[in-house]
Amino acid sequence: DQQVKQNSPSLSVQEGRISILNCDYTNSMFDYFLWYKKYPAEGPTFLISISSIKDKNEDGRFTVFLNKSAKHLSLHIVPSQPGDSAVYFCAASKRGAQKLVFGQGTRLTINP
Amino acid sequence: DAMVIQNPRYQVTQFGKPVTLSCSQTLNHNVMYWYQQKSSQAPKLLFHYYDKDFNNEADTPDNFQSRRPNTSFCFLDIRSPGLGDAAMYLCATSRGGNTQYFGPGTRLTVL
Repeated sequence: DQQVKQNSPSLSVQEGRISILNCDYTNSMFDYFLWYKKYPAEGPTFLISISSIKDKNEDGRFTVFLNKSAKHLSLHIVPSQPGDSAVYFCAASKRGAQKLVFGQGTRLTINP
Repeated sequence: DAMVIQNPRYQVTQFGKPVTLSCSQTLNHNVMYWYQQKSSQAPKLLFHYYDKDFNNEADTPDNFQSRRPNTSFCFLDIRSPGLGDAAMYLCATSRGGNTQYFGPGTRLTVL
């Protein structure tokens, strides 16, 4: 049972445009959500997170939106840059839990 | 800079020959994790330590063991590596909360 799903295995976006990566979850007990970015042959890098008490969190070019009723979150990257080309994982956890549940990842390619 | 360090970055071993991967951290986090990642799949949690308390995932094979001699270091021992154990092994740490910080990983090849 996959509790966190990223339904798009890949996404291609033109440089300078907006990249939108989506993530759905099924467990209503999840209350903290994170996005990680991973380059080949490297470990995932923490990007941005959001608590369930918020519906938006912004950090520079990166904004995460959370829609609790739809159990959906999205990561917006504006403007997209070539260095943003990577695999993006969303992850979720429950308050007090020490474990994350990861989605399968979306490979983002930024085209010049 | 505070960080999570993994050694070696690349490890080649022979089928059935025990191998140990190491992880150290300067973040002083109390929780340390070991993940296995194949291709670009989601990282799969093998086990984690909350301080000295060891927490094994139910589906982690007995072939995988771990040691945490102190706060800073954690080791992953693969007793008899099979071809199916070839993967990237990731170490992560957290302060007992939700955000985990990953090391660069060790790429294991089994010949």
